[in-house]
Amino acid sequence: DIQMTQSPSSLSASVGDRVTITCRASQGISNYLAWFQQKPGKAPKSLIYAASSLQSGVPSKFSGSGSGTDFTLTISSLQPEDFATYYCQQYNSFPFTFGPGTKVDIK
Amino acid sequence: EVQLVESGGGLVQPGGSLRLSCAASGFTFSSYAMSWVRQAPGKGLEWVSAISGSGGSTYYADSVKGRFTISRDNSKNTLYLQMNSLRAEDTAVYYCAKGIRYFAQVSYMDVWGKGTTVTVSS
Repeated sequence: DIQMTQSPSSLSASVGDRVTITCRASQGISNYLAWFQQKPGKAPKSLIYAASSLQSGVPSKFSGSGSGTDFTLTISSLQPEDFATYYCQQYNSFPFTFGPGTKVDIK
Repeated sequence: EVQLVESGGGLVQPGGSLRLSCAASGFTFSSYAMSWVRQAPGKGLEWVSAISGSGGSTYYADSVKGRFTISRDNSKNTLYLQMNSLRAEDTAVYYCAKGIRYFAQVSYMDVWGKGTTVTVSS
């Protein structure tokens, strides 16, 4: 199985900050990498697919990059509605696997 | 608007069975792969199972293989997850999610339902 790791596991940031989250796969997954946002008590929401493609309706402050084993999610200017947990997920091969999540909270 | 509505969750004893349903609307259901993903209380996301648009190909996490069965009824636009031999560690919110293509392989999940809660306890 492909293991996904994320760093940091949590971070505190202020409104307006630029935030970067890193995701690493235990083996190459090409660009079959997605990012999801989840708020407490809510279902995950898709943000990015194919490592860098923005899901329809997602604001352009979210961006993704990477290929192979190393990927990043960047939020260009953090807003109050962005405080949430972010998960990466590989869909290169079964079983699909998720990273452990990065919790972004208010400093 | 694409909508997925899960149902069928509840409290069940260890060793028991439960069938989850996911009613889909707003898209041509038979043209897309579907998945189930779960989240144990306070934990991260775990992919459980996926199925192709026709239902002819199915995939499972090792943790549920042999106990859970994914299926779909394209005439009813409904996805199912039959869960047998349930264990305490199966306690979770179960989400259904729509894939972006007919085949489940390399198919990212773009739309998710709100989830249904399964609690396995005596």
